[in-house]
Amino acid sequence: EDQVTQSPEALRLQEGESSSLNCSYTVSGLRGLFWYRQDPGKGPEFLFTLYSAGEEKEKERLKATLTKKESFLHITAPKPEDSATYLCAVQEAGANNLFFGTGTRLTVIP
Amino acid sequence: EAQVTQNPRYLITVTGKKLTVTCSQNMNHEYMSWYRQDPGLGLRQIYYSMNVEVTDKGDVPEGYKVSRKEKRNFPLILESPSPNQTSLYFCASSQTAFVLYNEQFFGPGTRLTVL
Repeated sequence: EDQVTQSPEALRLQEGESSSLNCSYTVSGLRGLFWYRQDPGKGPEFLFTLYSAGEEKEKERLKATLTKKESFLHITAPKPEDSATYLCAVQEAGANNLFFGTGTRLTVIP
Repeated sequence: EAQVTQNPRYLITVTGKKLTVTCSQNMNHEYMSWYRQDPGLGLRQIYYSMNVEVTDKGDVPEGYKVSRKEKRNFPLILESPSPNQTSLYFCASSQTAFVLYNEQFFGPGTRLTVL
């Protein structure tokens, strides 16, 4: 069973059209949940770490939230430069390894 | 400039020919890790290292070896590559903290093709 599931697989938005990406996880205890951005042909770039339910982090047009079973990455008034694949990863409590979801490919159309 | 470097960036090889992909970081990070990225499967962790001389298996370690003799370097070794190891490989590092993967820095990737 996949430990991290992201939805949707792909999302097309008009510039300025806000939306949310979902990351659900099934680990029994969460040590940390991470959001990354990946541009084509490049390595992932760290965005946020969330540790506990109720926590929120913001960076420019992006806001990440966390519940006990899922995280959302909210994109407010996106611009074309926000187009990328957004990856979610989870570290389980007591473990040292990391599990990634397959990502959401976001396209923002001018 | 703080960075993680990988070499080579592209490699085409044949089945069974041993190869090494190098990874180096200049941020004095204790924690380093290798991932492979495949379409539909996402990023999967191969091996990680908590510090010099300390390594452990990730999710998909079969067919790979690593070593951590120096803090800055973490090479990935494929002793007998097979076509199913054709993939995009990423090295990453982070400063150890309460959460190991906080602000993990990734290298640019190595695209490996095994014929």
